Amino acid sequence: EAQVTQNPRYLITVTGKKLTVTCSQNMNHEYMSWYRQDPGLGLRQIYYSMNVEVTDKGDVPEGYKVSRKEKRNFPLILESPSPNQTSLYFCASSPRQAAQPQHFGDGTRLSIL
Amino acid sequence: AQSVTQLDSHVSVSEGTPVLLRCNYSSSYSPSLFWYVQHPNKGLQLLLKYTSAATLVKGINGFEAEFKKSETSFHLTKPSAHMSDAAEYFCVVSDHPDSSYKLIFGSGTRLLVRP
Repeated sequence: EAQVTQNPRYLITVTGKKLTVTCSQNMNHEYMSWYRQDPGLGLRQIYYSMNVEVTDKGDVPEGYKVSRKEKRNFPLILESPSPNQTSLYFCASSPRQAAQPQHFGDGTRLSIL
Repeated sequence: AQSVTQLDSHVSVSEGTPVLLRCNYSSSYSPSLFWYVQHPNKGLQLLLKYTSAATLVKGINGFEAEFKKSETSFHLTKPSAHMSDAAEYFCVVSDHPDSSYKLIFGSGTRLLVRP
């Protein structure tokens, strides 16, 4: 089954404790993205990757890091999480061709205390 | 720059009545437009997409949307609402003419369906 898998689905942690949210896709897609969803703001892109070893900032990259060492994986790293990073996070992937829809994971709800 | 405005944050309808979710966009390019649905505790699922082939686009679960360039609108409709349609809906524009890697999301419309 074609899917984007995120882990963990839920995490409560404390300020400053480094964490990683993993994302894996099995569709051989070139593009992968991370979004955060906050009430009334829709989804905002954090980082995206156009292919292995190619990443770039989205609209709200501050406080986040990513890497793309393999095509299928695109982890999101919070080196020193802060309470304003409490949010619902989505990973997505899509093929390189124009106008192809993105496939989304089920989301990771992070609470930073 | 591209942008998307969803005109209603909440829409409430009775089961069996029509649904209209409104979306206006701005784009420097000939845009690709999408509607996604998000059910509670789930990721976003594609309902339909417009990519300039036809102005009336049919999607899953009986939804359709009409692209109106003169009005810069892409409203989502369904003739008869079901209880299972209760969810949040996002209108989305692709921010790049040659790829879909960067999407601009509207703020969402929550659809409530009354029995």
